[in-house]
Amino acid sequence: GAGVSQTPSNKVTEKGKYVELRCDPISGHTALYWYRQSLGQGPEFLIYFQGTGAADDSGLPNDRFFAVRPEGSVSTLKIQRTERGDSAVYLCASSFGGARGKEQFFGPGTRLTVL
Amino acid sequence: AQKVTQAQTEISVVEKEDVTLDCVYETRDTTYYLFWYKQPPSGELVFLIRRNSFDEQNEISGRYSWNFQKSTSSFNFTITASQVVDSAVYFCALSATQTQGAQKLVFGQGTRLTINP
Repeated sequence: GAGVSQTPSNKVTEKGKYVELRCDPISGHTALYWYRQSLGQGPEFLIYFQGTGAADDSGLPNDRFFAVRPEGSVSTLKIQRTERGDSAVYLCASSFGGARGKEQFFGPGTRLTVL
Repeated sequence: AQKVTQAQTEISVVEKEDVTLDCVYETRDTTYYLFWYKQPPSGELVFLIRRNSFDEQNEISGRYSWNFQKSTSSFNFTITASQVVDSAVYFCALSATQTQGAQKLVFGQGTRLTINP
C-alpha cells in the first residue's frame, strides 16, 4: 500500500506570495497532522484533523496559516503573505483512528523556501 | 506543558560499537506515550517504537533496545553492534494530551548519529 504522499516536494516562492501544500494520507487513516521542521530542529506540531474537522489547531503560528480537509482525506495547508521565516520542511502524517497513542506515519515533506 | 530533551546533538562512533541515545521528557499527564523515530538522509521520518506510560518493560528488537524508566523520566535507545546504515537523525517524541482523539507529538531536537566504517 502507498504511504503518505506530499506535493510538491520543493516549493520556492517570493516573500508575500500565497502557497498551497498538499497531503494525501494513507488510505483509511482518519487522523491527519501537519508539522513544520526547521533546519536542525525536531518537527513542531501545527494542526490535527479528525475526519473533516480540525480537532486541534493550536500549533498554527498566526492567521496567515490555514488548513482544510474537505472530504476527510486529502488536506491542503495554505500560507498567505509568505515570509522568509516560513522557510522550512512541512511534514504531513496520518494515523488510523483517533485513539491516543497511535503511531503516526509521515510523508516525505515539502521543502518551502521563501526568497 | 510537555517537553522532550535530547541532550546529545551529535554522536559519532565506529561501526560495530554500541551506542545509546538519551531522551528525557517532562509531562504532568498520568497517561502518555513515548516514541522514537528515525530520519535518514532521505528525510522521511520512520517510526521505530511506541511505549505507553503504564508499561515499563524494556524492549528489544534485533539490534535495537529501549530502556524506559519513569523514575528518571527517561526513554533511552541503544543500538548494539552499530552499522553504517544506522546513520541518521533520531528523534524522541511524547504524546501526552488527555483530550479524546488529540495526540500531537512533541519532539526533541534530535540526535545526529554517524556510524563510521
